[in-house]
Amino acid sequence: SQELEQSPQSLIVQEGKNLTINCTSSKTLYGLYWYKQKYGEGLIFLMMLQKGGEEKSHEKITAKLDEKKQQSSLHITASQPSHAGIYLCGSSNTGKLIFGQGTTLQVKP
Amino acid sequence: GAVVSQHPSRVICKSGTSVKIECRSLDFQATTMFWYRQFPKQSLMLMATSNEGSKATYEQGVEKDKFLINHASLTLSTLTVTSAHPEDSSFYICSAAFGLDTEAFFGQGTRLTVV
Repeated sequence: SQELEQSPQSLIVQEGKNLTINCTSSKTLYGLYWYKQKYGEGLIFLMMLQKGGEEKSHEKITAKLDEKKQQSSLHITASQPSHAGIYLCGSSNTGKLIFGQGTTLQVKP
Repeated sequence: GAVVSQHPSRVICKSGTSVKIECRSLDFQATTMFWYRQFPKQSLMLMATSNEGSKATYEQGVEKDKFLINHASLTLSTLTVTSAHPEDSSFYICSAAFGLDTEAFFGQGTRLTVV
């Protein structure tokens, strides 16, 4: 079965700094999703990537899917306290939507 | 984006009782719904996938008779935790999708506490 590995598991950055979260799949990704969650709350959809080499941006967040479609990265530029939370990469394959273990981000003012 | 409403947001029940959690897609028809469980400081664990009008597909290790899932219509799926025990206490989240490999929209989650 497919597994998603996220790194790092947790991250503490100073406000204004850039950061990157990685998501690696054991199998080819057909749909890669990035979500953000405040613990104990629902998930907020960030982006979906489907094509090898695809890159999408929303405000200060950019996500990329590599050409081989087995790795994705999420990059935050000039982080702010509002970016704090749990970031989850997810993949859909054969009708299932599964997630990596998540990356907890703290942004220090 | 589309809205998925999950109810209740919090519930406390006694051991041995059953609890039903509802997941509704408010402005679209969800052919596929997913149910997840989340433990503190952990990711979402997929429990089951349900397609409207058919039986849910459970993940390995998830007891079908304990976690009853019904997807009777294109806008409603329910998860019933039967004969609840304290170890069933957790955060449960549902998501709904238009179809395979499309964006999934999440409910706000249900915090279940079994006492």
